Amino acid sequence: TQLLEQSPQFLSIQEGENLTVYCNSSSVFSSLQWYRQEPGEGPVLLVTVVTGGEVKKLKRLTFQFGDARKDSSLHITAAQPGDTGLYLCAGALNNNAGNMLTFGGGTRLMVKP
Amino acid sequence: EPEVTQTPSHQVTQMGQEVILRCVPISNHLYFYWYRQILGQKVEFLVSFYNNEISEKSEIFDDQFSVERPDGSNFTLKIRSTKLEDSAMYFCASSARTGIYEQYFGPGTRLTVT
Repeated sequence: TQLLEQSPQFLSIQEGENLTVYCNSSSVFSSLQWYRQEPGEGPVLLVTVVTGGEVKKLKRLTFQFGDARKDSSLHITAAQPGDTGLYLCAGALNNNAGNMLTFGGGTRLMVKP
Repeated sequence: EPEVTQTPSHQVTQMGQEVILRCVPISNHLYFYWYRQILGQKVEFLVSFYNNEISEKSEIFDDQFSVERPDGSNFTLKIRSTKLEDSAMYFCASSARTGIYEQYFGPGTRLTVT
């Protein structure tokens, strides 16, 4: 069974602070996606990383794929209350669109004004 | 922007009844998926579907489950005889035929089995 462990599970910070969320596995993934999920809704795709060592930026969010493609991180700079939500990482073992995604347990972020 | 849609948003059924959950994937996508999320737990893969056949399925996807693409737009998940433990959010997802593995999720159907 392939597992993706996310940490921390919960994070409560003040507006303006920086934070990093980690996603780790013993398995090598061909690609890794980060999603954000609001209560009662489906996951919304934020970014996909494919190459080991890859870094992608989405405004104040920076995503990194580990060199060995076993881990990833999401860094948020100057967090805002609008960043509050559940962040999920999900990995694909093979670079085949027919393959399943394995999800992490999520990091629930609360940004207080 | 194209999106995956799902109906109904909430389905309540009695144990032992059959339910069909419906999805309309993004129109030019060729790969379709069902996932479920039991309250407070991880999103879990159920099945992937391509070219009118199942590509991959998980241990959860037993004989009580089936999928179908009855026409050019809909993708359905049927549970033949629902159990209490089938209560969950069910998400449909789709992806285009590319080498990069991106799946786009629908808003989900909340299934409650009583």
